Amino acid sequence: QKEVEQDPGPLSVPEGAIVSLNCTYSNSAFQYFMWYRQYSRKGPELLMYTYSSGNKEDGRFTAQVDKSSKYISLFIRDSQPSDSATYLCAMANTNAGKSTFGDGTTLTVKP
Amino acid sequence: GAGVSQSPSNKVTEKGKDVELRCDPISGHTALYWYRQSLGQGLEFLIYFQGNSAPDKSGLPSDRFSAERTGGSVSTLTIQRTQQEDSAVYLCASSQTGRGNEKLFFGSGTQLSVL
Repeated sequence: QKEVEQDPGPLSVPEGAIVSLNCTYSNSAFQYFMWYRQYSRKGPELLMYTYSSGNKEDGRFTAQVDKSSKYISLFIRDSQPSDSATYLCAMANTNAGKSTFGDGTTLTVKP
Repeated sequence: GAGVSQSPSNKVTEKGKDVELRCDPISGHTALYWYRQSLGQGLEFLIYFQGNSAPDKSGLPSDRFSAERTGGSVSTLTIQRTQQEDSAVYLCASSQTGRGNEKLFFGSGTQLSVL
């Protein structure tokens, strides 16, 4: 079983929709939870970063972490065609030296 | 440099040949990572460097894979006797010190195709 499992997708939504992307994990040592966005033929770029449990909001994006359930989510409000990309969750512990990634969810937002 | 640079961007090789992939991290970043991304898949960790040392090479899939880093900067990932299953995008990332709470900066990757 993988340490990080991500809802596989793909997801296709109309412009303006609310999108929910989700990951579960098994390693209780993870303390840092990240969401990366990857456009086609590019490397991933950090989108959101959360430490421990709680919510973090940045514009149209909200990241949620529930450590008791080992479950994290990324919500995108008022989705735009420019949000079309692959979204990867990633997790690390304090002295990780590496992040562990989910397999990614490909999102398409149709105008 | 301004960002993480990888070369070549594309590499096509024949089965059985050796290949070298290069990564030039952000200047001053002590931590450097290699990941592999197969078609439609997530990032598979290969190896992590702290300076010129590799404290975690647990993700290297076989002894055909090796990597080195010199001068605390440029890293080379070498794949010997390439196989078709080695075809993937090889991504390099760097971070300032390697702690778990740090942002990883990725290059655009090398697309390796083994015929």
